This record gives sequence, C-alpha cells and structure tokens, in this order.
Amino acid sequence: DAKTTQPNSMESNEEEPVHLPCNHSTISGTDYIHWYRQLPSQGPEYVIHGLTSNVNNRMASLAIAEDRKSSTLILHRATLRDAAVYYCILRDKDDYKLSFGAGTTVTVRA
Amino acid sequence: NAGVTQTPKFRVLKTGQSMTLLCAQDMNHEYMYWYRQDPGMGLRLIHYSVGEGTTAKGEVPDGYNVSRLKKQNFLLGLESAAPSQTSVYFCASSQPKTSGILGLTKNIQYFGAGTRLSVL
Repeated sequence: DAKTTQPNSMESNEEEPVHLPCNHSTISGTDYIHWYRQLPSQGPEYVIHGLTSNVNNRMASLAIAEDRKSSTLILHRATLRDAAVYYCILRDKDDYKLSFGAGTTVTVRA
Repeated sequence: NAGVTQTPKFRVLKTGQSMTLLCAQDMNHEYMYWYRQDPGMGLRLIHYSVGEGTTAKGEVPDGYNVSRLKKQNFLLGLESAAPSQTSVYFCASSQPKTSGILGLTKNIQYFGAGTRLSVL
C-alpha cells in the first residue's frame, strides 16, 4: 500500500487559514487521496477526497500537486471546532478499505 | 439522524470474559467495518463486510469474530477477552459508488461514536 507522510502537529489561530501538507511520493495512478478528521472523543468524519484535480466542498479545499506526489488540505478559516486529528489516506480505485496513519494534530488558538 | 449507532459506549471486562459489540446503521449501506484505535495511534481495521451474510478479515482480526445477519447490523464478538484488547472500537458503514474505469469513485465511511473497552 502506498503510504503518506504528515507532520505530527500544527498550530493555527482562529479565523486564519490552515494548510495541512501530505506527502505521498509512492502514489499510484489509481490511488484516490482522502482526508478524514477525528474530533476529540469522536469517530472519524469524512472531509474531502480527490483523484487528480483540486476539489472544494463546504468543509475544506484539497489541492493536489501536478505530479500527485503531495497534496494539501486547506481549511479556509479555522474555528475552535476544527481542532482535531487530520488523516491523509490513499485508497486504490478498486479498494474500499481505508488505512489510517497517525495523522496531524491541529490545535486552534482563540 | 441516527447514522451509525454503537452499543455499549463503555464496558469493563475481566480477562477471559466474552462480549458482543453491536453496530447499527440506518442509511441502508452495503459495507460495514470494525476498527480499533489504541492511544495515540490511528485506526486499524479488524473485520469488514461487503454485504449481508458476508464478512472478511482486516488488518488485525485475531481474537475477534463478526457476524452480519442483517444488512443494518454488524456484530463484533470477543470470545475470551485479553488485556491487549483494551481499546476504543469504532464501527463504520459506507455505500460505494463506482464509475467505469475510474473504479470506486466514492466510498465515504460514516463512523459511530465508539465503544471504550477495558479488559482487566
């Protein structure tokens, strides 16, 4: 399975953007890039996913490098509620399982 | 909007005891999953099911059994609990969407709130 590398932690101020990087240099052409987050004492929740093009939804934006070896999750205006562990996950197009790593712990300062 | 419901929320067992964790989803999803999460780590897949009556092993299946007799329910059993099974257990469900050569274009997993299990 292709693996991802994320920083252990990141800090941000409230109402400022947060850019969460993810490196996946061994990504294959059939891997989708997924982001999930886990709020304290809760189960993970889906944030966004993409294959080649940048994606936007109400929660965040996903910017995918042209060579697909890295991606960035962008939270446009961080709130205290965005404090969570963010997981970057690769999933092959024919696989339905997710493999979670340790993720990035995001702290938001008021 | 119930989504994925796990029962119980907390449980303390003694070594050797057995128990069953129940996961119920009301979204008519085809796929269901059981994960465990140890402190400071990501989730690891225990077992999963791609439809009623089917189950398959995940990454860490030893010491667990599962059953999916009804589409909406996925049961996780511990026949003889061990301290190493102290963990938080999460259930998830998903409804896959495929599209030709793009394969499984969408398979968003919806998670329950978890069951905290301690084995003494």
